[in-house]
Amino acid sequence: NAGVTQTPKFRILKIGQSMTLQCAQDMNHNYMYWYRQDPGMGLKLIYYSVGAGITDKGEVPNGYNVSRSTTEYFPLRLELAAPSQTSVYFCASRPTSTSGRVSYEQYFGPGTRLTVT
Amino acid sequence: QQPVQSPQAVILREGEDAVINCSSSKALYSVHWYRQKHGEAPVFLMILLKGGEQKGHEKISASFNEKKQQSSLYLTASQLSYSGTYFCGTLLSGGYNKLIFGAGTRLAVHP
Repeated sequence: NAGVTQTPKFRILKIGQSMTLQCAQDMNHNYMYWYRQDPGMGLKLIYYSVGAGITDKGEVPNGYNVSRSTTEYFPLRLELAAPSQTSVYFCASRPTSTSGRVSYEQYFGPGTRLTVT
Repeated sequence: QQPVQSPQAVILREGEDAVINCSSSKALYSVHWYRQKHGEAPVFLMILLKGGEQKGHEKISASFNEKKQQSSLYLTASQLSYSGTYFCGTLLSGGYNKLIFGAGTRLAVHP
């Protein structure tokens, strides 16, 4: 298994541009998450999904959009990029259960480092 | 709603012990601990569930005091590989999937 993969690894955007951060997982996990991590700070939840077709807002959803048409993919869309969106973005997934027990462990992708100038 | 972690940073010599605390002003269902090495993604360490027992991982263990709404992470006989930033994440009672992370505690272990 490749686990959780994210593309691109790095990206520089100009103010007002748009882009989509890609996230894929091959573990058949129902739950997927998008976090942002500002320098020296903790993780802030942007959006999450409990399954294909179902998404919900996290702590900091403004300026972002998500979609989840399949179990494997959970792209994050940035519209009208702003300097405040400069951050490292992590995608994560978790299974509903492991060995018949509810599982809460989240598996993180390697992250996308985004700079908006 | 963000849990508060203390201390913000710890410096240890190899073999020394450390305690990292995580507290919340809200009633908690569970506390999750992750470790993040510099430039890498966070990695799950353990979870403490309401009504559950203390969990352990290698020489790292943790406790969860439901009444005080806080958790403590115990690192015993620290190793160089323990260096990194430790985050606690809290799942509020009724919070379902919204894991809220603290700001982190940076741990540096020196020879």
